[in-house]
Amino acid sequence: NAGVTQTPKFQVLKTGQSMTLQCAQDMNHNSMYWYRQDPGMGLRLIYYSASEGTTDKGEVPNGYNVSRLNKREFSLRLESAAPSQTSVYFCASRRPGQGLFSSYNEQFFGPGTRLTVL
Amino acid sequence: EDKVVQSPLSLVVHEGDTVTLNCSYEVTNFRSLLWYKQEKKAPTFLFMLTSSGIEKKSGRLSSILDKKELFSILNITATQTGDSAVYLCAVEGSRTSYDKVIFGPGTSLSVIP
Repeated sequence: NAGVTQTPKFQVLKTGQSMTLQCAQDMNHNSMYWYRQDPGMGLRLIYYSASEGTTDKGEVPNGYNVSRLNKREFSLRLESAAPSQTSVYFCASRRPGQGLFSSYNEQFFGPGTRLTVL
Repeated sequence: EDKVVQSPLSLVVHEGDTVTLNCSYEVTNFRSLLWYKQEKKAPTFLFMLTSSGIEKKSGRLSSILDKKELFSILNITATQTGDSAVYLCAVEGSRTSYDKVIFGPGTSLSVIP
């Protein structure tokens, strides 16, 4: 199994350019997530999707849009990149617990995309 | 507002020392607390805690949750240089969705020989 894959691994953009980060998982997980990681700030949640067809804002959604294309894929779009969006972006997925009192499950992370905006 | 706080933010110890990492949280509709280890790449899962007072153990690592006081600790005994990493605490649950998972800033642990 490939797990969670992300493309591209590295990207350099100029201010104002747009791009889409791709994420796919082959584990039949319902929930998918986009995080950004900056030095000393842990992982900050940008958007998440609890199931196909639904998306919700996380802690830092401004400047981003997402699409949950199908159960496998969850993309993150920067419409007009800014230097403040220079970061490492991680995608993650998770399968839900089975019922309210069942055990819950950890997230599986992709390898990350290192984005630099000049 | 949902929040996860970790302390200390960084720590330097010698091999063989025991360390305790702290995580406190404020989240509505709490569902679980998770610990991850991050070396140079993506985080890897360590523990998931859902019930107070039940210790989870894996080798030299252990963790426990206190849902009344809203905190968790991660203990590492007999530290080794391979334990050097950032340790991340995450909490699941929110006012609107159980699926929201937010992270703390992490504790950077350096173990020196």
